[in-house]
Formats: sequence, structure tokens, C-alpha cells
Amino acid sequence: ETGVTQSPTHLIKTRGQQVTLRCSSQSGHNTVSWYQQALGQGPQFIFQYYREEENGRGNFPPRFSGLQFPNYSSELNVNALELDDSALYLCASSFGQGNSPLHFGNGTRLTVT
Amino acid sequence: GENVEQHPSTLSVQEGDSAVIKCTYSDSASNYFPWYKQELGKRPQLIIDIRSNVGEKKDQRIAVTLNKTAKHFSLHITETQPEDSAVYFCAASTTGNQFYFGTGTSLTVIP
Repeated sequence: ETGVTQSPTHLIKTRGQQVTLRCSSQSGHNTVSWYQQALGQGPQFIFQYYREEENGRGNFPPRFSGLQFPNYSSELNVNALELDDSALYLCASSFGQGNSPLHFGNGTRLTVT
Repeated sequence: GENVEQHPSTLSVQEGDSAVIKCTYSDSASNYFPWYKQELGKRPQLIIDIRSNVGEKKDQRIAVTLNKTAKHFSLHITETQPEDSAVYFCAASTTGNQFYFGTGTSLTVIP
């Protein structure tokens, strides 16, 4: 069984730039969620993708967008980066839409300078 | 939306003692409550979960209790060991696998 993998592991960007983070879901999982974890905080829900469509969104502006591909992998795109976007971005996969455990990747540490 | 509060933010216990972490939630429609353990620099990992039709669940040294009326749930770790030291997060979900997390409890087990 292949776990959730994310790339890159670390990234440094300048304010105003754009970034794309990638995630491969665990085998057998068809739902992907993205979370932002600021230092010393709990993960905050950004959005979720199911069957290649956004299926739920947290309190994040439209400059946070995403995609899910037919193989259930996913991308998180952030435009017009701000300093406050510096955080650990966690991807989590799960199966279906009924409540089931999230399986997290190791995350991408984004630093915006 | 859902708001999850978690206490305490830090907790130190002697090895072998018990540790209790408490969470409250605001949305009465929440029906699934997992707990995650996150070691420094690692991914959050599920340690136990409970659904709203159950009041208590136990897995070896770890147990979770749920009080739907009061809208709170708790994690209990007995016979703590140094390897239990980590940050613990509670979470609540209403539907569709969209989770709202608490702010975390940093547990230190002193040998």
C-alpha cells in the first residue's frame, strides 16, 4: 500500500509569486483534502476534491485553488503569495464522502519572504 | 462553521501517570471525532477515533469519550511512556470528510 506523498518538501518563494504543490493520494483513496498548518497551530481546512471537483472549501480566498486528476492526485495552487502564507501545507487522502480517517502526507514547508 | 477548542495547550506528566486532553465543539451536527498525534517534523497520524453513536472507545492504553449533550470529547492516555511525547490534535467533522482541528496539546512525558 502506497502512502500519501507530497512534493516538494520545502519551498522558498517571494511575496507576489505563485506556487504549485503536488500530492499523490494513498492507493484506493479517491478524496483529497488540503490543509494549512501554521507554526504551533492545528491544521486548517483549505478545500477538498472528490471525483475531480472541488467539494467543500474552508475560509480561504480564491487565490488558493486546486485540481484533482483522474488518478486522484492533486495540486494546490496559490497566487499572489503573502507573507502569512508561510506554513506547512498538508495533503490528506481518504475514501469516499462518508466520514473516514484522513491519511496525511509529510507536507510541504512553504516560506514566503 | 465548526469551532473546536482544545485544552490544555501544554501538558507534562511523569512516566506511568495518565494524561487527559479535552476538546469542545460548536456544531451539533458533528458526528465523527478523530485524534491525531504529530511528532516533531512528521505528519499527523490517526491514533483513535469515535463516532457520534458511541460514548466511549478504547484501544490498549488510549481511550476516547464523547458527550454529545455537552459537545465535548476527551482523550485519555494511561501508563504514559516517553514515546507518547508529541503534539496531539482533536478534530470534528460534520459531513463529507471536512475536518476542523483544535489548536493542539504538546504532551511531554518525563522519564
